[in-house]
Amino acid sequence: QKEVEQNSGPLSVPEGAIASLNCTYSDRGSQSFFWYRQYSGKSPELIMSIYSNGDKEDGRFTAQLNKASQYVSLLIRDSQPSDSATYLCAVSGDNFNKFYFGSGTKLNVKP
Amino acid sequence: EPEVTQTPSHQVTQMGQEVILRCVPISNHLYFYWYRQILGQKVEFLVSFYNNEISEKSEIFDDQFSVERPDGSNFTLKIRSTKLEDSAMYFCASTPGQLAGGPGWSIQYFGAGTRLSVL
Repeated sequence: QKEVEQNSGPLSVPEGAIASLNCTYSDRGSQSFFWYRQYSGKSPELIMSIYSNGDKEDGRFTAQLNKASQYVSLLIRDSQPSDSATYLCAVSGDNFNKFYFGSGTKLNVKP
Repeated sequence: EPEVTQTPSHQVTQMGQEVILRCVPISNHLYFYWYRQILGQKVEFLVSFYNNEISEKSEIFDDQFSVERPDGSNFTLKIRSTKLEDSAMYFCASTPGQLAGGPGWSIQYFGAGTRLSVL
């Protein structure tokens, strides 16, 4: 059974702080990794994709991938109340016929 | 900007009835998916579809479910004899695929979802 694990939270950070979200996955053959944001009752919205080891930055967001440790993280700098949502980690298998989602981490950014 | 379109946004049905959920993927995408999310739970993979056939399906996707691409644009999920536990949000997604090239070939784009309520 291929698994994607996330801490369910909630993770509470003050406005302006850095939020750090973590994800581990079980399938060493995974090739593509994604972070989605999901507001209550809405569909997942892509935040970041990462395919190779290291860091990838896009605005206030940085994704980090360590395939040896089977670990993906998302850093959100200068967190805003509008960032309050559930963040989903998703991993594609050894082909992209199937994507595995974690249960999500609920982030609360307090003004 | 191209988007995945799902209809209806909310479907109410009686237990035992058949429902068809409809999706129009992004036009140049090659891979299509259905997911289910029960309220408060994780997004669960149901099925993927490529080249007019199922690529992979989960253990959830049993004989009660079927998918079809009846024409060049629509992608449908049929649920026969609905059960109370089928109540969930159903998301359709599409992916460009490797033939499309570019760095985003494996990114999934999600529709807004259909909320299915089985009474």
